[in-house]
Amino acid sequence: GQQVMQIPQYQHVQEGEDFTTYCNSSTTLSNIQWYKQRPGGHPVFLIQLVKSGEVKKQKRLTFQFGEAKKNSSLHITATQTTDVGTYFCAGPSRDDKIIFGKGTRLHILP
Amino acid sequence: DAGVIQSPRHEVTEMGQEVTLRCKPISGHDYLFWYRQTMMRGLELLIYFNNNVPIDDSGMPEDRFSAKMPNASFSTLKIQPSEPRDSAVYFCASSFITGELFFGEGSRLTVL
Repeated sequence: GQQVMQIPQYQHVQEGEDFTTYCNSSTTLSNIQWYKQRPGGHPVFLIQLVKSGEVKKQKRLTFQFGEAKKNSSLHITATQTTDVGTYFCAGPSRDDKIIFGKGTRLHILP
Repeated sequence: DAGVIQSPRHEVTEMGQEVTLRCKPISGHDYLFWYRQTMMRGLELLIYFNNNVPIDDSGMPEDRFSAKMPNASFSTLKIQPSEPRDSAVYFCASSFITGELFFGEGSRLTVL
């Protein structure tokens, strides 16, 4: 079945450093979504990418969708303590199931 | 709208007991999803509904798990009998077709 892989599983960065997480799907995706889950919280939608090669920015966050629509990345510039959490990518299968990657847990060192 | 509402927020029960988790989706959403989250397995899709009809339950671990959606505003996930390995956070989420998922705050289940 369809798989969505994310790397790295964990990332520790010094506050102010950049952070990137990568997402790869075993199949072509019609779109990809990114979510953030704070410790003890629930996943919260960040963004959806639809077009091949699409790049979207939200303040310090930059999201990319690969040309082949099988991979995506999230880059955070100059991390802050408020960025702590787990970042998930998710993609729909052919039958509308939303499959999540295992997530990348970001820890910020002060 | 108040968002997706789940209850209970926490449940501690003993092995063998029946557990019922409840979810009220956002009004007007077509899809409802049940996910289970553990450290080892991440966010697993258990089952999802489209317009109250179960579409895919292939993620339901075994026959001890069942889910219903009797109307557009209510869904339940039942575990009977519960086992310690069922301990997890269970999330309900709803959405419009191909839209963003809105998650509830989750039900943390501990089976002793």
